[in-house]
Amino acid sequence: DQQVKQNSPSLSVQEGRISILNCDYTNSMFDYFLWYKKYPAEGPTFLISISSIKDKNEDGRFTVFLNKSAKHLSLHIVPSQPGDSAVYFCAASARNSGYALNFGKGTSLLVTP
Amino acid sequence: EAQVTQNPRYLITVTGKKLTVTCSQNMNHEYMSWYRQDPGLGLRQIYYSMNVEVTDKGDVPEGYKVSRKEKRNFPLILESPSPNQTSLYFCASSPGVEQYFGPGTRLTVT
Repeated sequence: DQQVKQNSPSLSVQEGRISILNCDYTNSMFDYFLWYKKYPAEGPTFLISISSIKDKNEDGRFTVFLNKSAKHLSLHIVPSQPGDSAVYFCAASARNSGYALNFGKGTSLLVTP
Repeated sequence: EAQVTQNPRYLITVTGKKLTVTCSQNMNHEYMSWYRQDPGLGLRQIYYSMNVEVTDKGDVPEGYKVSRKEKRNFPLILESPSPNQTSLYFCASSPGVEQYFGPGTRLTVT
C-alpha cells in the first residue's frame, strides 16, 4: 500500500510564478521528509528535506512546509524557472526503519517561458 | 568528484540469462541500496545494505540478489531474469537519510 502519495501526476506553471507540489503520507511513524528532483536519463538528486520537529525549511528558491496533523507536506518553488522542469519525488523515512525511503509516484513539473 | 556509478547504463538481455549490474561509490558511505522505477509506481526499494556483509530485503526483493563484500561496491544480481524485471534501476548510497543516486541502468528482458 502506497504510504506516500503524490496525487498530481503533472503540473504546468509559467516562468516566474510559484510552483506548489503536494505530498500526503499515511504512516505516522515517518519523521523525516525529502524532496528529490529527477531529470530524464539521470538519477534523482536530493533537493531539500525537513524533520518532523520543524514545520518549514527554506533553501533559496525552495521551501518545504510540513503539516503533521494533516500528514501533508508541500514544496514551493519561487520563482519558477524553465530549468526546474523535471519530475519531483516526495520521500519519507521513519527513524526505526534505518535509512529506508518510501517514495511517492512523482509529479512532473513543466515550467513554461 | 563524489559520485555513485553504475554499469552498464543500458542492457538488453533474454529471459533466464544471469546478469549483474555493478554499483560503486567513492564517498565511504556505509549505507547502500537498490531501487527500481516503473511507470506509475515511483521508486521501490529492492535491497539495502547497512554495511559490509550486512544486507536486507526492501519492498520488492523477489528475483534479485545482492552482495556487499567491500564498502564501496554493491552489485545487483539477477540469477534468472524475467520480462517483469524490465525496469529502470538505481543504486544509491548515503551517510544518513539523504541518499545519493547513481545515473540509472535501463534493463530490458525479452
